[in-house]
Amino acid sequence: EVQLVQSGAEVKKPGESLKISCKGSGHSFNLYWIGWVRQMPGKGLEWMGIIYPDDSDTRYSSSFQGQVTISADKSISTAYLQWTSLTASDTAMYYCARLGEPGVDFWGQGTLLTVSS
Amino acid sequence: EVVLTQSPATLSLSPGERATLSCRASQSVSSYVAWYQQKPGQAPRLLIYDTLKRATGIPARFTGSGSGTDFTLTISSLEPEDFAVYFCQQRSNWMVTFGPGTKVDIK
Repeated sequence: EVQLVQSGAEVKKPGESLKISCKGSGHSFNLYWIGWVRQMPGKGLEWMGIIYPDDSDTRYSSSFQGQVTISADKSISTAYLQWTSLTASDTAMYYCARLGEPGVDFWGQGTLLTVSS
Repeated sequence: EVVLTQSPATLSLSPGERATLSCRASQSVSSYVAWYQQKPGQAPRLLIYDTLKRATGIPARFTGSGSGTDFTLTISSLEPEDFAVYFCQQRSNWMVTFGPGTKVDIK
């Protein structure tokens, strides 16, 4: 069974840094693109960027270029999303998801990030 | 970048009724149009991909259609568990864009 398991909810202060994770199992994690999706409270889905864990080829949507860093460690089947300086506008649910042949076919359970002073 | 719009924003229907959800692209897209269902507190779930193919385990009451810039998701007879938000999505290589969603709620 394909699973993407994300790290737990986070509460951070503005200016702090953060790295959240997404661990895959049940499939050849390294051979599928893994994307990150932001969903702000009560809003829609925004595609942030994507990484191919086997060679760490990474692409960013224009809205998120320079705002976050996507990385992966293929030895432990894990992808990451990180921020160096959080702001209140980063408050959202973040999903990792697998980009398979049918499309975005498997999703993590989501990581809720709250940034508040 | 392709922009997707969905209509209506909210669809109020009763169980057993037919739901027709629309997704329009700002330019012609390939057949890589997909539909997702999201319930409160849950991750989205893939329903339809390549415009008309049902994902594994998706009931036959969900049907996708369309081409070019206009795509439709039809739910033939709403079940209680179908009341949710539905997003369309298109894909061009690695770049994915989502529509803003249609909420199907109980009338």
